[in-house]
Amino acid sequence: DADVTQTPRNRITKTGKRIMLECSQTKGHDRMYWYRQDPGLGLRLIYYSFDVKDINKGEISDGYSVSRQAQAKFSLSLESAIPNQTALYFCATSDLGSGPQETQYFGPGTRLLVL
Amino acid sequence: EDQVTQSPEALRLQEGESSSLNCSYTVSGLRGLFWYRQDPGKGPEFLFTLYSAGEEKEKERLKATLTKKESFLHITAPKPEDSATYLCAVQAPRQAGTALIFGKGTTLSVSS
Repeated sequence: DADVTQTPRNRITKTGKRIMLECSQTKGHDRMYWYRQDPGLGLRLIYYSFDVKDINKGEISDGYSVSRQAQAKFSLSLESAIPNQTALYFCATSDLGSGPQETQYFGPGTRLLVL
Repeated sequence: EDQVTQSPEALRLQEGESSSLNCSYTVSGLRGLFWYRQDPGKGPEFLFTLYSAGEEKEKERLKATLTKKESFLHITAPKPEDSATYLCAVQAPRQAGTALIFGKGTTLSVSS
């Protein structure tokens, strides 16, 4: 089984709808992240969490919210989806105790289309 | 401002034709430089972490090197299965333990 899983893998929604993307991990890592990837722009950070009680905004958090339900689960919500949120979304995890260079491990991604 | 630039954007090679991908960075106090491989429609797959200038790491046909201003990913005798987008990312004290700053990637195509 994959260490980092994301659901759904593909989603089509309409403008104004609320949707949630979910991420689960079995790596036992403390830290979790949400990124989005757009053609020509690369990967950009939306939110990150160091533990269940610690949530931080990233570079592009407007229009998004997150919930860390447990160490292993981190959800991303689009409160009112808009077309420019069409993108590939990735969850990642890292281990606080892995040393000064924290390698991040990515999930398979969720492809979101907002009509 | 911390920044990562990868070149070229796209690279086409014949099978067996060795080449290098470049990642130049400007960051205050590099904590780590990371290389990832990404196949279409999939998540980035971790390849290497480099920390100090002069460091080298190898994995099969890939070798990553690091200087104070850039990193190279050398591909020796590539095969079609090496075709993918290669992403470079840096971790800096400002981003300590948090995010990676990614370049836009180099898309490699290897034909037989």
